Amino acid sequence: EVQLVESGGGLVQPGGSLRLACAASGFTFSNYYWMHWVRQAPGKGLVWVSRIKSDGSRTTYADSVKGRFTISRDNAKNTLYLQMNSLRAEDTAVYYCARDPDSYGYSYFDSWSQGTLVTVSS
Amino acid sequence: DIQMTQSPSSLSASVGDRVTITCRASQSITSYLNWYQQKSGKAPKVLIYAASSLESGVPSRFSGSGSGTDFTLTISSLQPEDFAIYYCQQSHSTPYTFGQGTKLEI
Repeated sequence: EVQLVESGGGLVQPGGSLRLACAASGFTFSNYYWMHWVRQAPGKGLVWVSRIKSDGSRTTYADSVKGRFTISRDNAKNTLYLQMNSLRAEDTAVYYCARDPDSYGYSYFDSWSQGTLVTVSS
Repeated sequence: DIQMTQSPSSLSASVGDRVTITCRASQSITSYLNWYQQKSGKAPKVLIYAASSLESGVPSRFSGSGSGTDFTLTISSLQPEDFAIYYCQQSHSTPYTFGQGTKLEI
């Protein structure tokens, strides 16, 4: 069974940092799969944040987090990360990691983590 | 960025009804369109990918169609467990963008 289990959320002050981790199991993490982060502010819709290629060689970010967030992965540990620096109140959201099977060139999110809440507040 | 617009934003329906949700992209995305269902307090779940491909394990009452800029998600006969929020998402180009969601209520 595919599982994505997140950790690392919590309360942080504006300007602070936090690192999210997403532990993957039930599939070969290092093969084929791009991985993504998606967030959802309380009561709002889904917003794509970032993605990373299976071997870690390519990353892409939403403009709203570029230069502040860093996505990475450790394929030996089957874990995806999101390092979040210079956090702002508007970063407050539930953060999800998601697997992308990139099926025949079509990108979509076929497995999601349970989500972790990041609250940026003084 | 490609803007995704769903309609309606909310919809009231009854068990057994046929329901259609539409999604329009601000530019052509060919068939790079996915549909997700999200229930309260839960992570989203993919229903349809590549505009019309049914994800494994998803009931056949869900179907998707369209290409270019206009897409639809159809639920042929609503079941009680289908009341949720539905999102479309384009994966033609980054930043991948979602529609604002359609809340399907009893």
